[in-house]
Amino acid sequence: QSALTQPASVSGSPGQSITISCTGTSSDVGGYNFVSWYQQHPGKAPKLIIYDVSNRPSGVSNRFSVSKSGNTASLTISGLQPEDEADYYCSSYTSSNTVIFGGGTKLTVL
Amino acid sequence: EVQVLESGGGLVQPGGSLRLSCAASGFTFSSSAMTWVRQAPGKGLEWVSDISGSGGSTYYADSVKGRFTISRDNSKNTLYLQMNSLRAEDTAIYYCAKSPRGGAAHGMDVWGQGTTVTVSS
Repeated sequence: QSALTQPASVSGSPGQSITISCTGTSSDVGGYNFVSWYQQHPGKAPKLIIYDVSNRPSGVSNRFSVSKSGNTASLTISGLQPEDEADYYCSSYTSSNTVIFGGGTKLTVL
Repeated sequence: EVQVLESGGGLVQPGGSLRLSCAASGFTFSSSAMTWVRQAPGKGLEWVSDISGSGGSTYYADSVKGRFTISRDNSKNTLYLQMNSLRAEDTAIYYCAKSPRGGAAHGMDVWGQGTTVTVSS
């Protein structure tokens, strides 16, 4: 099964908002409300920022918000801060009882 | 403090075997599904395998099915990944992660620092 499709890179200036899309199929993103998002800084382990489509773990900033329409989920980061510069990955449950990740998006804060 | 700590990585020849371990602490291990995720050098994340809290249910990515076995010892708060018939494409950092809501599908909230596996002759 191919990875979920994410843009390779996005960028924005401090204070701005950016959106990262995550496109799959009806067998994964579109078929279940089991999409998660992770933030990974260079050389570090990933950090969970969204689970089950729209839930934020305790301690995660409300600057991170999500939406889902059809086979595409989207992560929006508002009020960009320098520390938001990182790689972002989406993941989804699939109809094959597996989990699939997106290819990752590198966020650059200009 | 809730944490997981991987060990057991190293250099292995193609066709060889390796067993990774993940020691958990700070949470009720037997109540939490656990997951292995890997990341090849310079590449993205790849889900490898899930195991339920009891160990009775296991799930694998197609890329490792039949070669890797996930298991756990709840008396030792330890997760394992037995890797056989290793290939060059298995070279990666292997992360252990806690999946509190029933598996990786619902998000992994605690990650280890990873252990590096290199498959090369």
